[in-house]
Amino acid sequence: GAVVSQHPSWVICKSGTSVKIECRSLDFQATTMFWYRQFPKQSLMLMATSNEGSKATYEQGVEKDKFLINHASLTLSTLTVTSAHPEDSSFYICSAVDEAYEQYFGPGTRLTVT
Amino acid sequence: QKEVEQNSGPLSVPEGAIASLNCTYSDRGSQSFFWYRQYSGKSPELIMFIYSNGDKEDGRFTAQLNKASQYVSLLIRDSQPSDSATYLCAVWRGNEKLTFGTGTRLTIIP
Repeated sequence: GAVVSQHPSWVICKSGTSVKIECRSLDFQATTMFWYRQFPKQSLMLMATSNEGSKATYEQGVEKDKFLINHASLTLSTLTVTSAHPEDSSFYICSAVDEAYEQYFGPGTRLTVT
Repeated sequence: QKEVEQNSGPLSVPEGAIASLNCTYSDRGSQSFFWYRQYSGKSPELIMFIYSNGDKEDGRFTAQLNKASQYVSLLIRDSQPSDSATYLCAVWRGNEKLTFGTGTRLTIIP
């Protein structure tokens, strides 16, 4: 199946700093990528839909100025958590949609804000 | 009513038995239905999807869809300890977004 990578796989940062997470589709082009957040023992929560060449579409309740998404190319989307706080600590997962509309998940990035 | 509902479990099944996971959805316009498996600390991986009424089999897994009842299920035959995970049901309504249920935690007892 298709491969989606995320970098970094885990990151620890201090409160108030910003963190960038990369999502790459390695063997296919993805016009659409999704960003999810998952807290412990909870399901995936869609944060935003990232479309190549256009602004991301954020779900209700997700602050677009705090979670900056850039879909710079057909294989790369980035999520920047700005001015991170401990409550932003979570498991962030991206997914990419291929030409057959199948969605493949990245391995996730575990963010810990101290 | 939640868009996609699953029993959170935990569901315990003896090794070798059939595990049955259920999911209901509220939007009758939903088009495709997905089952993902998620191990603790890992991202979800697609097991199978179904979009037509009836059964779809893939190895030990069978997905069942009943659009009239707005119900989709996943059967796992000959359950193995490695099947112990959280199973997520997801629904696609044709707008590219998937809507996930909260997941059912399955434990296979050796």
